[in-house]
Amino acid sequence: DQQVKQNSPSLSVQEGRISILNCDYTNSMFDYFLWYKKYPAEGPTFLISISSIKDKNEDGRFTVFLNKSAKHLSLHIVPSQPGDSAVYFCAASAANQAGTALIFGKGTTLSVSS
Amino acid sequence: ETGVTQSPTHLIKTRGQQVTLRCSSQSGHNTVSWYQQALGQGPQFIFQYYREEENGRGNFPPRFSGLQFPNYSSELNVNALELDDSALYLCASSSPGKWADTQYFGPGTRLTVL
Repeated sequence: DQQVKQNSPSLSVQEGRISILNCDYTNSMFDYFLWYKKYPAEGPTFLISISSIKDKNEDGRFTVFLNKSAKHLSLHIVPSQPGDSAVYFCAASAANQAGTALIFGKGTTLSVSS
Repeated sequence: ETGVTQSPTHLIKTRGQQVTLRCSSQSGHNTVSWYQQALGQGPQFIFQYYREEENGRGNFPPRFSGLQFPNYSSELNVNALELDDSALYLCASSSPGKWADTQYFGPGTRLTVL
């Protein structure tokens, strides 16, 4: 049973436009959410995070939105650049569980064309 | 600041053998987590070590075991290797705080079991 779902395996956008990557979760105990970017043959790189007490967090071109009632979060990249082409993983954790395990979605492959 | 490092980069073993993977945590981090990433999947939590003790475990059999050393580096040991153990093994380090802290990943070890 997947607790974190990324329903779009892939997304293609043009350079300069907005990229929106979506993520849904089922466990209401999750209270911390993260986005990671992964290039081939590298480990995941942390991008941005949000705690459940917020509904938005920005860092440069990256903004994460959290809708707790819908159990949905999204990552907006504006403007998109060719170097953003990678696999993006959504992850979640619950602070009250033993060990801070991150539960990952299956990832969305973003392709940004110039 | 030194990031998370892992060794070896690649490893080929045969079914039934044992393997040890190594991880050095990022400077200042005292918690190490291990993940298995199969092809086309997101990383799956194996276990976490904090102050040399296991601090949470995912749905992996006991033949997956680990250690953390006083300098916070860590080992993942897998006994009686099976073909399905072929995957990218990721180590992540973090420093616990109020919220489930951001985990920073190493480049991974690619294990192939023949």
